[in-house]
Amino acid sequence: GAVVSQHPSRVICKSGTSVKIECRSLDFQATTMFWYRQFPKQSLMLMATSNEGSKATYEQGVEKDKFLINHASLTLSTLTVTSAHPEDSSFYICSALRESGYTFGSGTRLTVV
Amino acid sequence: QQQVKQSPQSLIVQKGGISIINCAYENTAFDYFPWYQQFPGKGPALLIAIRPDVSEKKEGRFTISFNKSAKQFSLHIMDSQPGDSATYFCAASIGGYGGATNKLIFGTGTLLAVQP
Repeated sequence: GAVVSQHPSRVICKSGTSVKIECRSLDFQATTMFWYRQFPKQSLMLMATSNEGSKATYEQGVEKDKFLINHASLTLSTLTVTSAHPEDSSFYICSALRESGYTFGSGTRLTVV
Repeated sequence: QQQVKQSPQSLIVQKGGISIINCAYENTAFDYFPWYQQFPGKGPALLIAIRPDVSEKKEGRFTISFNKSAKQFSLHIMDSQPGDSATYFCAASIGGYGGATNKLIFGTGTLLAVQP
């Protein structure tokens, strides 16, 4: 079945630094990937839609200069949280779209200290 | 119009019982309605999905009931087991089933606890 690998699963970074999260489709090509953010006991909130070879589309209220998304190939999308602050601490989840639907990664727990 | 409303927020069911979670939507353009199961610290996993041209779909112990006129759909978990204890999300999208690029809108989630 379709597998989406997300790395790292957990990361702790210092305030003011940047951290990159990778999302890979292992056995299929994904023209479109999505990035979500989930706070404890809350739903998944879509941050942006990532399209291979073009600029990402960000949801209203999401800072595009803070959350940099790159979708340079059909199997890889990356999310970089720049100048991270404690309020950026959250669970970040990617998803890839294929003909049979959406497949989600296992998520990345980001803690900014 | 992009919202998907989900209820209840939490649910406690005895082992062997039926768990029922409901969702409602406004946007009649939605044409793909999946349900996801999420365990703590993990990404959501697809349980079952339905398109609006059918009123019911069953896969194992999981059944989706879909009422197009009422713009509602529900998940029924038969013979609920302690291992089913998780958070369940309904979702909806336009063209998400078939290779289109539209985004998936999630419901607010239901925390299910199945007591042994």
